[in-house]
Order: sequence, then C-alpha cells, then structure tokens
Amino acid sequence: AQTIHQWPVAEIKAVGSPLSLGCTIKGKSSPNLYWYWQATGGTLQQLFYSITVGQVESVVQLNLSASRPKDDQFILSTEKLLLSHSGFYLCAWRDWGNSYEQYFGPGTRLTVL
Amino acid sequence: QEKVQQSPESLIVPEGAMVSLNCSFSDSASQSIWWYQQHPGKGPKALISIFSNGNKKEGRLTVYLNRASLHVSLHIKDSQPSDSAVYLCAVYNTGNYKYVFGAGTRLKVIA
Repeated sequence: AQTIHQWPVAEIKAVGSPLSLGCTIKGKSSPNLYWYWQATGGTLQQLFYSITVGQVESVVQLNLSASRPKDDQFILSTEKLLLSHSGFYLCAWRDWGNSYEQYFGPGTRLTVL
Repeated sequence: QEKVQQSPESLIVPEGAMVSLNCSFSDSASQSIWWYQQHPGKGPKALISIFSNGNKKEGRLTVYLNRASLHVSLHIKDSQPSDSAVYLCAVYNTGNYKYVFGAGTRLKVIA
C-alpha cells in the first residue's frame, strides 16, 4: 500500500526566515507529485508539479520554489518567508495511466508571524 | 485561465435528506472532473469522478456532467452526520497537468 508523509506537521516562523517543507511517498514508483497551498478558509491552489526526478514546473508564483531530489521526495522551500505564506500546505501524488485521482498527504500548517 | 465555481457556499440539512451540490467550470477541454471531501485540518479525499457526459453512480453518490453547459453536480442520497465536511469540485486538464479547485461547499448534516 502507498503512504504519503509530510513534515513537519506544523511550523511557526518569523517573517524573513527560511522554510523547507517535505513530502515522501512510499510504495509507488515514479508518481506525479504536486504541491498545493490553502489559505485559511480559502481555495486549494496548485503551486508546483513534477513528472520525474529533477524536473519541477511552477504553476503559481508565490516566491516559493520546489525540488524533487529523489523519485519519492518533494521539497517546498523559500529563503524569505512573507506573512502571505501562512496557510495549509498539501502534497499530493498521482499514478501514471488514465486515472487522474490524486492522493493527498496530511498537510503542514504554517503560521508566519 | 480555468475557473471553477461552486454553489451553494454552505448547506445545512437534516439527516436522511438528499444533498445537491453544484459546480460550473469554464474550459470545455477539461479532461476530468473530480469531487473531493475535506474535513477540517485534513487533506482532501477523492470521492468520485466523471469524464463523459451523463451520470455515474457509486453507492450513495451520483454525479451528473453536462459539458455543453459546463456544469457538474454531485448528489448525496440519505445524508449522514458523518457526511459533514467541505466538498470540493476540481477539474483536470491533461494538456497542462493542472488541477483547478473550486472554493468548496460546506455541508452540515444534523442528526
């Protein structure tokens, strides 16, 4: 069975500080990977997607970057946090083939002060 | 730019009621439409999807798609308090790997 893990569960960070959020998928080879952001009470917004190791495409510019250093790992980061970065960050994966179902992780709650 | 709009914003129904949720989208080329359920503080969970015009039934859920009117609806039969959650409509375009979500409908089922 496939499992998706996100870390940390929650973070409280200062404006201007760096950030790194992680996501790991176990039990699935070469999944498509996605990062999403959801402001409190807001709409889920796709940030990045990755089809393969080392390749990441940006969907929305929010002064964030993403990397896929391994087949099962997806990293979201920034060097300088803004207040507007606060929210809920979700990682998701999708299998190859005709099914477009996404499987979401448990999420990371980020508060920027 | 694909737009997805959901209605109503929120809904309160008694247990056992039929629930109807609506979603309109702007791009007729969107490949598939998904409905997700999201509980507070959790990641969304996929419920049901539809690709072609018509309807699809799975258990208590039925989804209807009309591509001509760019409209999809989700119907939940015999609603339960455990169905209380936010329901998200999402459209996927294989041409650009993009998923676009609506703002959601908050459903509360009262026992």
